[in-house]
Amino acid sequence: QKEVEQNSGPLSVPEGAIASLNCTYSDRGSQSFFWYRQYSGKSPELIMFIYSNGDKEDGRFTAQLNKASQYVSLLIRDSQPSDSATYLCAVIAGGSYIPTFGRGTSLIVHP
Amino acid sequence: AAGVIQSPRHLIKEKRETATLKCYPIPRHDTVYWYQQGPGQDPQFLISFYEKMQSDKGSIPDRFSAQQFSDYHSELNMSSLELGDSALYFCASSLGQGHTEAFFGQGTRLTVV
Repeated sequence: QKEVEQNSGPLSVPEGAIASLNCTYSDRGSQSFFWYRQYSGKSPELIMFIYSNGDKEDGRFTAQLNKASQYVSLLIRDSQPSDSATYLCAVIAGGSYIPTFGRGTSLIVHP
Repeated sequence: AAGVIQSPRHLIKEKRETATLKCYPIPRHDTVYWYQQGPGQDPQFLISFYEKMQSDKGSIPDRFSAQQFSDYHSELNMSSLELGDSALYFCASSLGQGHTEAFFGQGTRLTVV
């Protein structure tokens, strides 16, 4: 079992809708959680990080963390075609300093 | 704001040749991570350095080595290159270890022919 799991998608949403991306992790002691956006052939770009249970909002993005259920999600409100990319979830497990990535979810926002 | 700088951006090498990738972290960042990303794959952790010392080792082949220098830049040395080494190589940097955000460079695309 991979340490960080994501549905590879693609997730297709219409422009203006809310896109919901999910990520589960296996190490219950994980402390730090990150969402990166990656366009094809480009480097991962950090868009959100969350360390505590609950929601964290930044503009159109909301990260949600539920440590009891071991999942972290990313909501993108008012999705735009420019949001079309692969979204990578990264987790730093307990006792580690290394971000471990999921396989990413491909998001397609169609006009 | 200054970002992580990687060079070269593109590199073409023949099998069995040697390649050196360079990474200049964000100023004042003391931790560097190297990742390899194959087509359609997630970034795989290779190796990391904190304060110029190797801190963690992942799936880095024995043919590869890396180090972090006194100015905190890092180099990934790859020898006896194989076709399967063709990938995007990313460097990321952070301030401190663990509970901290890592920022990625633009990557080096290595093609082994």
